Amino acid sequence: QTVVTQEPSLTVSPGGTVTLTCGSSTGAFTSVHYPNWFQQKPGQAPRALIYSTSNKHSWTPARFSGSLLGGKAALTLSGVQPEDEAEYYCLVYYDGAWVFGGGTKLTVL
Amino acid sequence: QVQLVESGAEVKKPGASVKVSCKASGYTFTDYFVHWVRRAPGQGLEWMGCVNPYSGATNYAQKFRGRVTMTRDTSISTTYMELSSLRSDDTAVYYCARELGVVVAARKFDYWGQGTLVTVSS
Repeated sequence: QTVVTQEPSLTVSPGGTVTLTCGSSTGAFTSVHYPNWFQQKPGQAPRALIYSTSNKHSWTPARFSGSLLGGKAALTLSGVQPEDEAEYYCLVYYDGAWVFGGGTKLTVL
Repeated sequence: QVQLVESGAEVKKPGASVKVSCKASGYTFTDYFVHWVRRAPGQGLEWMGCVNPYSGATNYAQKFRGRVTMTRDTSISTTYMELSSLRSDDTAVYYCARELGVVVAARKFDYWGQGTLVTVSS
């Protein structure tokens, strides 16, 4: 089974831009892996942000965007807000199963 | 409005089983897969498997095969996740989440349950 890797932690300044990535130990991710992205804050259930690589939910703030970059799924936050401090997880469909990345703890400082 | 409401917290002894429920409302129950995800203390999210509420078919993560059973009762729009042979490292918050994919392969996760804390301790 593939191992899905994310940056363990990232720090960004308010108003800045940051890109989180989601890679595979066995090859490139493409649209057929249907990357989903979630935000989770302490004590809360995960909140869906992006599905099928780049599609936003009705509640997803415009500053969040999803893409594929160099064989990895990517989540970009443009104009980061203090409330974006959270953990972010990607979820990909691989070989008939879903696999989460290890998560990225995003600090806004 | 769409809601997934999970059952309450559980405390179990090692070797026992636990069954968590997830009641859906506000949408057509059989149009969406229901997935189960857990988060253990100090760990990340972990996908356990899913059930197709229309057919009852299941897909389990390799790690949990033989120990997990996911079922549904369409008459009350509820899915269940039963985990057996519990160990201390099964202590976690267990979430249900829905995915649009039964009728069309959208692979779109959206709504989540509030989570159920399962504590395994002697």
